[in-house]
Amino acid sequence: DIQMTQSPSSLSASVGDRVAITCRASQSITIYLNWYQQKPGKAPKLLIYAASSLQSGVPSRFSGSGSGTDFTLTISSLQPADFATYYCQQTYITPLTFGQGTKVEIK
Amino acid sequence: EVQLVESGGGLVQPGGSLRLSCAASGFTFTNYWMTWVRQAPGKGLEWVANIKQDGSLTYYVDSVKGRFTISRDNAKNSLYLQMNRLRAEETAVYYCARVFESMITFGGVIAIPVYFDYWGQGTLVTVSS
Repeated sequence: DIQMTQSPSSLSASVGDRVAITCRASQSITIYLNWYQQKPGKAPKLLIYAASSLQSGVPSRFSGSGSGTDFTLTISSLQPADFATYYCQQTYITPLTFGQGTKVEIK
Repeated sequence: EVQLVESGGGLVQPGGSLRLSCAASGFTFTNYWMTWVRQAPGKGLEWVANIKQDGSLTYYVDSVKGRFTISRDNAKNSLYLQMNRLRAEETAVYYCARVFESMITFGGVIAIPVYFDYWGQGTLVTVSS
């Protein structure tokens, strides 16, 4: 199985900060990497697919980069609505696997 | 508007069975793979199973193989998850989601990345005596 490791597991940041979350795959997954945002008690929401493609309706402050084994989700200017938990997911091969999550909290 | 509405969750004893349903609307159900994802309380997301548009192909995480069955009724725009021999550690919110396949060119090669673009609100399954 492909292991997905996110870092950090949590972070504290202020509104307006630039935030980066990394995701590392245990083997190459080319660009089969998605990012989701989840708020408490809610279903996950797709932000980025294919490593760097912004899902329709998602603010442009979110961006994704990387290929192979190393990927990054960047929020260019953190907004109050962005405080949530973020998950990466590989869809290169089954079993499809998620990272453990990164919780973004208010500093 | 795409909508996915799960139902069928509840309290079940260890070793028991439960059948989850997911009613889909707002899109052509027969055009999409579908999936189930679960989340234990306070934990991360875990993919459970996928099913092809016509139900001819299914994939499962190893831990549920032989106990869970994903199926669909395209006439009813519905997705199901039959869960047998349930374990306490399978207490979780179970989400159904639509699987979207796109097509892009990456490095001169056509790639077909997939992602879960719409999710239901989830249904809680509690396995406890």
